[in-house]
Amino acid sequence: EAQVTQNPRYLITVTGKKLTVTCSQNMNHEYMSWYRQDPGLGLRQIYYSMNVEVTDKGDVPEGYKVSRKEKRNFPLILESPSPNQTSLYFCASSPLKPYGYTFGSGTRLTVV
Amino acid sequence: AQTVTQSQPEMSVQEAETVTLSCTYDTSESDYYLFWYKQPPSRQMILVIRQEAYKQQNATENRFSVNFQKAAKSFSLKISDSQLGDAAMYFCAYRTPYDRGSTLGRLYFGRGTQLTVWP
Repeated sequence: EAQVTQNPRYLITVTGKKLTVTCSQNMNHEYMSWYRQDPGLGLRQIYYSMNVEVTDKGDVPEGYKVSRKEKRNFPLILESPSPNQTSLYFCASSPLKPYGYTFGSGTRLTVV
Repeated sequence: AQTVTQSQPEMSVQEAETVTLSCTYDTSESDYYLFWYKQPPSRQMILVIRQEAYKQQNATENRFSVNFQKAAKSFSLKISDSQLGDAAMYFCAYRTPYDRGSTLGRLYFGRGTQLTVWP
């Protein structure tokens, strides 16, 4: 089944404890992206990647890191999480042709 | 950053009736794509419908159709014969081709419209 797999689905952590949210897609898509969703703000892009080793900042990149060493994987790293990073996070992928993105199931992150 | 505006934070509709959700966007590009996504309580993002800017014909997918007005930069979603399962948050989104325009294929979202369907 074609899908984007995110893990974990739920995560509660403490301020300052490094964490990684994994994202993997099995559709050979070039594009991958991370979004955060907050009430009243819609989805805002954190980072995106057009291909292996090619990443760029989105609209809200502060406090996040990404890497794209393999085409299928695009992990999101929070080196020192803070409470303002409490949010719902989505990974998404797309082929270069501008069809709609395929989204993962989301990760609900709470930083206390 | 590109701007996508959904001016209706909440809408409601009676089952079997028709409802229209509004979306406007700001761009200087001539070639782009527009989408409506649905997010039910399960929080999964589901693609509802897609429109290419170069096509004059409005896209239709079963009970879902769009009214695309390129000059006005307007892209509304019409849901006909509304069903209880249509209740969800709806997001309008904009994207340029990856190799053209200033945004290189990035996908921009509006803030969403929460649709309630009454039985």
